[in-house]
Amino acid sequence: AQSVTQPDIHITVSEGASLELRCNYSYGATPYLFWYVQSPGQGLQLLLKYFSGDTLVQGIKGFEAEFKRSQSSFNLRKPSVHWSDAAEYFCAVAPGSGGGADGLTFGKGTHLIIQP
Amino acid sequence: DGGITQSPKYLFRKEGQNVTLSCEQNLNHDAMYWYRQDPGQGLRLIYYSQIVNDFQKGDIPEGYSVSREKKESFPLTVTSAQKNPTAFYLCASREGQGVADTQYFGPGTRLTVL
Repeated sequence: AQSVTQPDIHITVSEGASLELRCNYSYGATPYLFWYVQSPGQGLQLLLKYFSGDTLVQGIKGFEAEFKRSQSSFNLRKPSVHWSDAAEYFCAVAPGSGGGADGLTFGKGTHLIIQP
Repeated sequence: DGGITQSPKYLFRKEGQNVTLSCEQNLNHDAMYWYRQDPGQGLRLIYYSQIVNDFQKGDIPEGYSVSREKKESFPLTVTSAQKNPTAFYLCASREGQGVADTQYFGPGTRLTVL
């Protein structure tokens, strides 16, 4: 079964500094990978996704992520964070053609705190 | 204005009661999902439906039931058999037929058992 690990529960970054959120996945075939963001008490919004092609994916709000098969990683980056980026970030993987339940498998999330 | 609505936003339940959470979408999506979110646990799949009149168990279906009588509606009932129902519940729908297609989420319902 696929799994997703987000090693960092909390990350604190100064406003204007760069950001990298880590995501590692376990999956036998080429995975379909997603990053979502959640503001407190709200639903999730898709930032970006990878399913094939270019391993560097551009998303909304200035975010990007790089798929590295050799490291089983899909890390999220932003060159300069804004106070409004403070939120919970989730990495997720979708099942491929190998079957299993439909639906996304999520990591436990990384809580991003922005320092002024 | 297309989207997913969930109601109510907050729900309080007494021990032993069944409650039903509403999820409606006007995006014309076939597939719909229910996830449960607990602090520090991420989201876990409860049930999903790929088409009207069909639904499948996810990873944690115990103590829950669903129906899919209409394309736009996918209600979730939390039964008294669910031992720890206090959580944040999120409904989603998927825009296409492929697993790589984007899932769109509703604003969620926070259920608290008193």
